[in-house]
Amino acid sequence: DQQVKQNSPSLSVQEGRISILNCDYTNSMFDYFLWYKKYPAEGPTFLISISSIKDKNEDGRFTVFLNKSAKHLSLHIVPSQPGDSAVYFCAASGQTGANNLFFGTGTRLTVIP
Amino acid sequence: GAGVSQSPSNKVTEKGKDVELRCDPISGHTALYWYRQSLGQGLEFLIYFQGNSAPDKSGLPSDRFSAERTGGSVSTLTIQRTQQEDSAVYLCATVLIQGWDTQYFGPGTRLTVL
Repeated sequence: DQQVKQNSPSLSVQEGRISILNCDYTNSMFDYFLWYKKYPAEGPTFLISISSIKDKNEDGRFTVFLNKSAKHLSLHIVPSQPGDSAVYFCAASGQTGANNLFFGTGTRLTVIP
Repeated sequence: GAGVSQSPSNKVTEKGKDVELRCDPISGHTALYWYRQSLGQGLEFLIYFQGNSAPDKSGLPSDRFSAERTGGSVSTLTIQRTQQEDSAVYLCATVLIQGWDTQYFGPGTRLTVL
């Protein structure tokens, strides 16, 4: 049973516009969330994270928003660049004693030049 | 190399055969994870090694799966009597300091069981 869901398998955005990638989770015990970016033939790389004590974390062009009541987080990329084209995974953790992350299925972002 | 490496990058095997997948972690990284990503699924946790502690095997899907980490460095994931549902990309990740932000993934091994 997927505890972390990314319902949009793909997203296309024009260069310079905002990309918004969404992620929903079901486990209210999750308290730490991450976004990873994955290029073909490479492993995922950490992009940005947010703790449940915050509702926003910003790093350059990337901002993650967390809505705990809705169990929803989103990643905003602005302005989008062609090099941002990749698969984006959200992940969650926080269960006491857990050693693992729970990942979504990924959203493939294509930024059109 | 500077990153996590995995071998082979691709493996095609016949149903019923055993396979062994290798992960070379970043030097000095004490924690090592194995994940797999089946088609249309998110990354699924398999097993976790931390230093000399007993590994967390809670994610292994069946007793056909096992893993070891020799000398706190290289890790091998072994799948015995492979089944078609074992087809997936198997990813290894290592961590230097406890914290998800410092988890570095290898490129993965794509396993295809015919």
